[in-house]
Amino acid sequence: AQTVTQSQPEMSVQEAETVTLSCTYDTSESNYYLFWYKQPPSRQMILVIRQEAYKQQNATENRFSVNFQKAAKSFSLKISDSQLGDTAMYFCAFGAGGTSYGKLTFGQGTILTVHP
Amino acid sequence: EPEVTQTPSHQVTQMGQEVILRCVPISNHLYFYWYRQILGQKVEFLVSFYNNEISEKSEIFDDQFSVERPDGSNFTLKIRSTKLEDSAMYFCASNQQGGRTNQPQHFGDGTRLSIL
Repeated sequence: AQTVTQSQPEMSVQEAETVTLSCTYDTSESNYYLFWYKQPPSRQMILVIRQEAYKQQNATENRFSVNFQKAAKSFSLKISDSQLGDTAMYFCAFGAGGTSYGKLTFGQGTILTVHP
Repeated sequence: EPEVTQTPSHQVTQMGQEVILRCVPISNHLYFYWYRQILGQKVEFLVSFYNNEISEKSEIFDDQFSVERPDGSNFTLKIRSTKLEDSAMYFCASNQQGGRTNQPQHFGDGTRLSIL
């Protein structure tokens, strides 16, 4: 079974600054995907960024980038030029690949607050 | 952009009653999921559904729960004899290819279930 751990219950950052959210996972799978989802106060689950385990290159999506360390089973999210709209709960999620049916295993979440 | 839609947005039910939560996944998606999020806690996988049958379920998904795709569009979660601890936000999600690619799951806005 997979486990996902987010060790930072809460983080805060000033607008325009950079913040990094941590995530570690444990799995015996060799083919998998990792995701960061954002959940604003409206409670929607919005995909932020995704990473394939077989890709060495870290994924980037505008102001969002990841630091994927496969050997260390670490998948952190960096948010650059933080904006007030980035205030949300952020969940790291693991999805087994290959022939799996794609269920996601989520971490506990990190509440990020961006201050003006 | 196509969306997953869930109804109702909020359901209040007396303990012991049956409740049906409804979801309309994205039309060309083949894999469907239900997740649960108790207030302040992480998102937990309940069940996945593919080819008109349950493909995977968690230990939470006991005999009290059932899922159905009664027609070509709706995907429902039924909870029989509800308990106080069933109070949570329930998310429906869908994707096209399960775990075979990095395609993310698309989530609905959730149904907040309150058991009195």
